[in-house]
Amino acid sequence: AQRVTQPEKLLSVFKGAPVELKCNYSYSGSPELFWYVQYSRQRLQLLLRHISRESIKGFTADLNKGETSFHLKKPFAQEEDSAMYYCAPRDNYGQNFVFGPGTRLSVLP
Amino acid sequence: EAQVTQNPRYLITVTGKKLTVTCSQNMNHEYMSWYRQDPGLGLRQIYYSMNVEVTDKGDVPEGYKVSRKEKRNFPLILESPSPNQTSLYFCASSIQESTEAFFGQGTRLTVV
Repeated sequence: AQRVTQPEKLLSVFKGAPVELKCNYSYSGSPELFWYVQYSRQRLQLLLRHISRESIKGFTADLNKGETSFHLKKPFAQEEDSAMYYCAPRDNYGQNFVFGPGTRLSVLP
Repeated sequence: EAQVTQNPRYLITVTGKKLTVTCSQNMNHEYMSWYRQDPGLGLRQIYYSMNVEVTDKGDVPEGYKVSRKEKRNFPLILESPSPNQTSLYFCASSIQESTEAFFGQGTRLTVV
Protein backbone atom coordinates (compact mmCIF):
# COMPACT_ATOMS: atom_id res chain seq x y z
CA ALA A 1 0.00 0.00 0.00
CA GLN A 2 1.14 3.50 -0.70
CA ARG A 3 2.04 5.34 2.46
CA VAL A 4 3.69 8.53 3.55
CA THR A 5 4.87 9.11 7.10
CA GLN A 6 5.93 12.22 8.95
CA PRO A 7 7.16 10.93 12.30
CA GLU A 8 6.97 14.20 14.23
CA LYS A 9 3.56 15.67 14.93
CA LEU A 10 5.11 18.69 16.58
CA LEU A 11 8.57 20.13 16.21
CA SER A 12 9.75 23.08 18.25
CA VAL A 13 12.99 24.92 17.57
CA PHE A 14 14.43 28.24 18.55
CA LYS A 15 14.79 31.08 16.09
CA GLY A 16 18.04 30.77 14.17
CA ALA A 17 18.37 27.04 14.78
CA PRO A 18 18.42 24.52 11.93
CA VAL A 19 15.24 22.61 11.27
CA GLU A 20 14.55 19.33 9.53
CA LEU A 21 11.08 17.99 8.91
CA LYS A 22 11.14 14.32 8.08
CA CYS A 23 9.12 12.57 5.40
CA ASN A 24 9.33 8.94 4.32
CA TYR A 25 7.23 7.32 1.65
CA SER A 26 6.55 3.86 0.36
CA TYR A 27 5.35 4.05 -3.21
CA SER A 28 5.82 1.88 -6.23
CA GLY A 29 7.52 3.57 -9.12
CA SER A 30 8.90 7.07 -8.84
CA PRO A 31 6.38 9.45 -7.35
CA GLU A 32 6.58 13.17 -7.65
CA LEU A 33 7.28 14.71 -4.22
CA PHE A 34 5.89 17.96 -2.85
CA TRP A 35 5.95 19.90 0.38
CA TYR A 36 2.93 22.00 1.27
CA VAL A 37 2.67 24.60 4.02
CA GLN A 38 -0.36 25.89 5.85
CA TYR A 39 0.02 29.10 7.83
CA SER A 40 -2.47 29.92 10.54
CA ARG A 41 -6.01 30.30 9.18
CA GLN A 42 -4.90 30.00 5.56
CA ARG A 43 -5.31 27.45 2.85
CA LEU A 44 -2.58 24.99 1.97
CA GLN A 45 -0.06 26.27 -0.52
CA LEU A 46 2.80 24.70 -2.34
CA LEU A 47 6.18 25.23 -0.72
CA LEU A 48 8.36 23.27 -3.09
CA ARG A 49 8.51 20.24 -5.34
CA HIS A 50 11.53 18.05 -5.80
CA ILE A 51 11.62 18.16 -9.57
CA SER A 52 12.24 21.90 -9.61
CA ARG A 53 15.16 21.64 -7.17
CA GLU A 54 14.61 25.18 -6.00
CA SER A 55 14.86 26.81 -2.60
CA ILE A 56 11.76 28.56 -1.35
CA LYS A 57 11.89 30.81 1.73
CA GLY A 58 15.22 29.20 2.55
CA PHE A 59 13.80 25.68 2.56
CA THR A 60 15.24 22.84 0.51
CA ALA A 61 14.31 19.20 0.23
CA ASP A 62 16.41 16.36 -1.09
CA LEU A 63 14.89 13.26 -2.53
CA ASN A 64 16.73 10.15 -1.36
CA LYS A 65 15.40 7.27 -3.40
CA GLY A 66 17.48 4.73 -1.52
CA GLU A 67 15.94 5.71 1.80
CA THR A 68 12.64 6.77 0.18
CA SER A 69 12.83 10.02 2.07
CA PHE A 70 12.15 13.65 1.19
CA HIS A 71 13.15 15.61 4.26
CA LEU A 72 12.59 19.36 4.38
CA LYS A 73 15.43 21.47 5.74
CA LYS A 74 16.23 25.04 6.59
CA PRO A 75 19.53 26.14 8.11
CA PHE A 76 18.16 29.04 10.18
CA ALA A 77 14.53 28.93 11.26
CA GLN A 78 12.50 32.14 11.50
CA GLU A 79 9.41 32.80 13.60
CA GLU A 80 7.33 33.26 10.46
CA ASP A 81 8.13 29.67 9.51
CA SER A 82 5.77 28.49 12.24
CA ALA A 83 3.11 26.55 10.36
CA MET A 84 1.80 23.12 9.50
CA TYR A 85 3.89 21.26 6.92
CA TYR A 86 2.67 18.40 4.79
CA CYS A 87 4.68 16.03 2.67
CA ALA A 88 2.74 14.91 -0.39
CA PRO A 89 3.78 12.27 -2.89
CA ARG A 90 1.89 12.06 -6.12
CA ASP A 91 2.03 8.71 -7.84
CA ASN A 92 2.73 8.46 -11.54
CA TYR A 93 0.06 5.85 -12.26
CA GLY A 94 -3.20 6.96 -10.70
CA GLN A 95 -2.05 10.54 -10.33
CA ASN A 96 -3.73 10.73 -6.95
CA PHE A 97 -2.52 13.25 -4.39
CA VAL A 98 -2.19 11.89 -0.84
CA PHE A 99 -0.83 13.88 2.05
CA GLY A 100 1.21 12.84 5.03
CA PRO A 101 -0.17 13.41 8.54
CA GLY A 102 1.67 16.71 8.81
CA THR A 103 4.18 18.24 11.20
CA ARG A 104 3.46 21.39 13.13
CA LEU A 105 6.58 23.52 13.29
CA SER A 106 6.82 26.01 16.10
CA VAL A 107 9.73 28.45 15.99
CA LEU A 108 10.29 30.00 19.37
CA PRO A 109 11.74 33.50 19.84
CA GLU B 1 -7.99 34.90 -11.31
CA ALA B 2 -7.27 31.16 -11.18
CA GLN B 3 -8.77 29.73 -8.05
CA VAL B 4 -10.60 26.99 -6.21
CA THR B 5 -13.72 28.23 -4.45
CA GLN B 6 -15.57 26.46 -1.68
CA ASN B 7 -18.94 27.37 -0.24
CA PRO B 8 -19.93 27.89 2.42
CA ARG B 9 -16.88 28.90 4.46
CA TYR B 10 -18.60 28.13 7.74
CA LEU B 11 -21.58 25.90 8.44
CA ILE B 12 -23.28 24.79 11.61
CA THR B 13 -25.92 22.13 11.18
CA VAL B 14 -27.82 19.49 13.11
CA THR B 15 -27.38 15.75 13.04
CA GLY B 16 -29.15 14.11 10.12
CA LYS B 17 -29.84 17.20 8.05
CA LYS B 18 -28.48 16.69 4.55
CA LEU B 19 -25.97 19.24 3.36
CA THR B 20 -23.76 19.94 0.38
CA VAL B 21 -20.44 21.74 0.30
CA THR B 22 -19.65 23.06 -3.14
CA CYS B 23 -16.26 23.24 -4.81
CA SER B 24 -15.61 24.98 -8.07
CA GLN B 25 -12.41 25.59 -10.03
CA ASN B 26 -11.86 27.77 -13.06
CA MET B 27 -8.59 26.26 -14.26
CA ASN B 28 -10.01 23.43 -16.38
CA HIS B 29 -8.36 20.88 -14.09
CA GLU B 30 -9.17 17.22 -14.55
CA TYR B 31 -8.27 16.14 -11.03
CA MET B 32 -10.25 17.23 -7.97
CA SER B 33 -10.20 15.96 -4.42
CA TRP B 34 -11.74 16.43 -1.00
CA TYR B 35 -9.85 16.25 2.29
CA ARG B 36 -10.74 16.70 5.89
CA GLN B 37 -8.32 18.17 8.38
CA ASP B 38 -8.50 17.25 12.05
CA PRO B 39 -6.09 18.10 14.88
CA GLY B 40 -3.50 15.40 15.30
CA LEU B 41 -4.69 13.52 12.22
CA GLY B 42 -3.50 15.85 9.50
CA LEU B 43 -5.11 15.90 6.09
CA ARG B 44 -7.06 12.80 5.13
CA GLN B 45 -8.50 12.20 1.71
CA ILE B 46 -12.24 11.58 1.44
CA TYR B 47 -12.88 11.20 -2.30
CA TYR B 48 -11.13 12.17 -5.47
CA SER B 49 -11.99 12.44 -9.13
CA MET B 50 -9.68 11.98 -12.08
CA ASN B 51 -12.16 13.46 -14.55
CA VAL B 52 -15.85 13.95 -15.29
CA GLU B 53 -17.92 11.00 -14.13
CA VAL B 54 -14.82 9.33 -12.62
CA THR B 55 -14.68 9.28 -8.82
CA ASP B 56 -12.95 7.06 -6.30
CA LYS B 57 -12.76 6.62 -2.55
CA GLY B 58 -9.96 8.04 -0.52
CA ASP B 59 -8.98 6.94 2.96
CA VAL B 60 -12.09 8.11 4.84
CA PRO B 61 -15.11 7.99 2.49
CA GLU B 62 -17.71 6.71 4.98
CA GLY B 63 -20.62 9.09 5.39
CA TYR B 64 -19.80 11.12 2.30
CA LYS B 65 -20.83 11.19 -1.34
CA VAL B 66 -19.49 13.11 -4.29
CA SER B 67 -20.43 13.70 -7.88
CA ARG B 68 -18.54 14.99 -10.90
CA LYS B 69 -21.07 15.84 -13.56
CA GLU B 70 -19.00 18.64 -15.00
CA LYS B 71 -15.32 19.41 -14.94
CA ARG B 72 -15.40 22.55 -12.85
CA ASN B 73 -17.57 21.34 -9.95
CA PHE B 74 -17.02 18.65 -7.35
CA PRO B 75 -19.61 18.89 -4.56
CA LEU B 76 -19.26 17.00 -1.30
CA ILE B 77 -22.55 15.62 0.01
CA LEU B 78 -23.30 14.56 3.57
CA GLU B 79 -26.60 12.71 3.41
CA SER B 80 -26.98 12.35 7.17
CA PRO B 81 -24.29 14.32 8.98
CA SER B 82 -23.09 13.17 12.37
CA PRO B 83 -21.01 14.98 15.01
CA ASN B 84 -17.89 13.00 14.06
CA GLN B 85 -17.98 14.78 10.71
CA THR B 86 -17.29 18.07 12.42
CA SER B 87 -14.07 19.12 10.73
CA LEU B 88 -12.31 21.51 8.39
CA TYR B 89 -12.78 20.48 4.78
CA PHE B 90 -10.56 21.34 1.85
CA CYS B 91 -11.12 20.90 -1.84
CA ALA B 92 -8.19 20.77 -4.24
CA SER B 93 -7.69 20.56 -7.99
CA SER B 94 -4.86 19.85 -10.36
CA ILE B 95 -4.17 18.89 -13.93
CA GLN B 96 -3.55 15.20 -14.58
CA GLU B 97 0.18 15.33 -14.87
CA SER B 98 2.45 15.43 -11.86
CA THR B 99 1.99 19.05 -10.95
CA GLU B 100 0.93 20.84 -7.82
CA ALA B 101 -2.58 20.84 -6.40
CA PHE B 102 -4.41 24.11 -5.74
CA PHE B 103 -6.53 24.35 -2.63
CA GLY B 104 -9.73 26.07 -1.71
CA GLN B 105 -9.96 28.26 1.35
CA GLY B 106 -11.61 25.58 3.46
CA THR B 107 -15.06 24.96 4.94
CA ARG B 108 -15.43 24.66 8.67
CA LEU B 109 -18.34 22.35 9.40
CA THR B 110 -19.85 21.83 12.84
CA VAL B 111 -22.50 19.14 13.32
CA VAL B 112 -24.40 19.37 16.60
